[in-house]
Amino acid sequence: GAVVSQHPSWVICKSGTSVKIECRSLDFQATTMFWYRQFPKQSLMLMATSNEGSKATYEQGVEKDKFLINHASLTLSTLTVTSAHPEDSSFYICSAKGGTSGTLNTGELFFGEGSRLTVL
Amino acid sequence: AQSVTQPDIHITVSEGASLELRCNYSYGATPYLFWYVQSPGQGLQLLLKYFSGDTLVQGIKGFEAEFKRSQSSFNLRKPSVHWSDAAEYFCAVGSYNQGGKLIFGQGTELSVKP
Repeated sequence: GAVVSQHPSWVICKSGTSVKIECRSLDFQATTMFWYRQFPKQSLMLMATSNEGSKATYEQGVEKDKFLINHASLTLSTLTVTSAHPEDSSFYICSAKGGTSGTLNTGELFFGEGSRLTVL
Repeated sequence: AQSVTQPDIHITVSEGASLELRCNYSYGATPYLFWYVQSPGQGLQLLLKYFSGDTLVQGIKGFEAEFKRSQSSFNLRKPSVHWSDAAEYFCAVGSYNQGGKLIFGQGTELSVKP
């Protein structure tokens, strides 16, 4: 099946620094990628939808300037947490949706393994 | 409002016993329904999905789920649980018009007793 890779798997940073998380589709071209955030023992909350070559669409309540999303190619989307603070510590998961062939246009997503961010 | 409810936060079953995890949804459009499993510290793995057709869906690892439109439910079942099934299970709903955007339930943590 399709593979989505996230990097890094975990990162620890100091408060005030910025952290970049990558999401790559390894064996298919992802026209759309989604970024989710998961707090401990909680469900996944959609943060934003990232479309290749255009600006991301953020969900209500998500700060665009805080969580910068770039989808520069059909296989890579990045999430940058700017000026990170302890409350940004979380598990960030991306998912990717392919093009119009196969089953990926019918809502099926492939998820990355997630990136755990800890801000000290 | 669109939502997914998993009424059971935590379930414990004995190994070899049957399992049913509940999922109810509220969704305006024709729903696509999914069950995902997450092991601690890991990403999500798709167990099964329902788009249309036969309302009883077979998935991986011996799981199945039944879509009941009248009850707005998509419960996950397994006839005999294995210790390796212990994990967090998420029900999710989306639609073609939403282009892959999913709404997730709160999750059900499954523990398996030896």
